[in-house]
Amino acid sequence: AQSVTQLDSQVPVFEEAPVELRCNYSSSVSVYLFWYVQYPNQGLQLLLKYLSGSTLVKGINGFEAEFNKSQTSFHLRKPSVHISDTAEYFCAVSETDDYKLSFGAGTTVTVRA
Amino acid sequence: DAGVTQSPTHLIKTRGQQVTLRCSPKSGHDTVSWYQQALGQGPQFIFQYYEEEERQRGNFPDRFSGHQFPNYSSELNVNALLLGDSALYLCASSLEIGTGLYGYTFGSGTRLTVV
Repeated sequence: AQSVTQLDSQVPVFEEAPVELRCNYSSSVSVYLFWYVQYPNQGLQLLLKYLSGSTLVKGINGFEAEFNKSQTSFHLRKPSVHISDTAEYFCAVSETDDYKLSFGAGTTVTVRA
Repeated sequence: DAGVTQSPTHLIKTRGQQVTLRCSPKSGHDTVSWYQQALGQGPQFIFQYYEEEERQRGNFPDRFSGHQFPNYSSELNVNALLLGDSALYLCASSLEIGTGLYGYTFGSGTRLTVV
């Protein structure tokens, strides 16, 4: 069974600074990888996904992530954050022959002026 | 084009009661999944419905059951509610293409509080 570890529970960052959210996964088979964002009192919105091909994935709102198979990681980055990026971020994994998503515990990003 | 619609948005129930949550998938989607998100945690997979049948189930007791209707909408039922069932319940819909993970759309959820 797959599992996901988000290495940082909270990440404070200043506006216009870069941010990196770390995600490691474990699985014995091929996987699909996802990052979702959740704003207060809302559902989950997909930021980006890795299914196959290029290991550098670009998503919405200027986010990107890099899949590293040898390190079983899928870290999320943004070169310059805005106040509006304040939210909860979830890394998720699914094995390619599975239907469910397994989520990490989340990383709270707080952007300060 | 409406996204995923869940009702009600908030609900308060007493221990031992039963509750039904409802989900209307995004237009054109035929697969519905349910997730439980406890406070401060990531969502946990409950089950997925496709073609009106439960296709896969997570590690949840039989108190959790569901149904999918011919119009693809779905219900989540929880019997004999426990305090630990208090959570945000998220519905996600997708179009069955391969594993169906190419386009999950999540609803805003139903906040269930058990007292």
